[in-house]
Amino acid sequence: DQQVKQNSPSLSVQEGRISILNCDYTNSMFDYFLWYKKYPAEGPTFLISISSIKDKNEDGRFTVFLNKSAKHLSLHIVPSQPGDSAVYFCAAKNAGGTSYGKLTFGQGTILTVHP
Amino acid sequence: EADIYQTPRYLVIGTGKKITLECSQTMGHDKMYWYQQDPGMELHLIHYSYGVNSTEKGDLSSESTVSRIRTEHFPLTLESARPSHTSQYLCASSGSQGAGNSPLHFGNGTRLTVT
Repeated sequence: DQQVKQNSPSLSVQEGRISILNCDYTNSMFDYFLWYKKYPAEGPTFLISISSIKDKNEDGRFTVFLNKSAKHLSLHIVPSQPGDSAVYFCAAKNAGGTSYGKLTFGQGTILTVHP
Repeated sequence: EADIYQTPRYLVIGTGKKITLECSQTMGHDKMYWYQQDPGMELHLIHYSYGVNSTEKGDLSSESTVSRIRTEHFPLTLESARPSHTSQYLCASSGSQGAGNSPLHFGNGTRLTVT
């Protein structure tokens, strides 16, 4: 049972346009959400996060939106740059308890930004 | 900048061999993790540790074992490698800060191929 789903395996956008990556989750106990970026042959790199008490968090060109009622979050990148081309993973964490620090990941979306 | 190192980066080994994947971090993080990822799939937690002499199994069953004798070192061992163990193994660490929502810092991974 996959608790974090990224239903789009890939996304292709033009340089300068907006990239929107989506993520859905099923576990209502998740209280913290993160996006990671991964280049080939490298480990994932933390990008941006959001707590369940917020609905938006912005960091430069990256904005994450959280819709708790829909159990949906999205990552917006604007403007998109060719260097943003990578695999983007959505991840979620359970509130406290023994699952502290453990993340549940989606399967990733390959973003390609064309010059 | 995260300082977490994994060796080797790539390993091709025959069935039945014993292997140890090394992971070290220089950030003094108390929590360390091993994730396994197959191409196009999500990362699955296979082991984690909250400190020295603490190790736990993750969400995905694995025949590997881990040890945490020193804070900075979290090696993973396969006593008898099989082709089904072919995968990418990612080590991560996190510290304790604020409300406890400390992002994971990943190493560059070990790509293991068992022939």
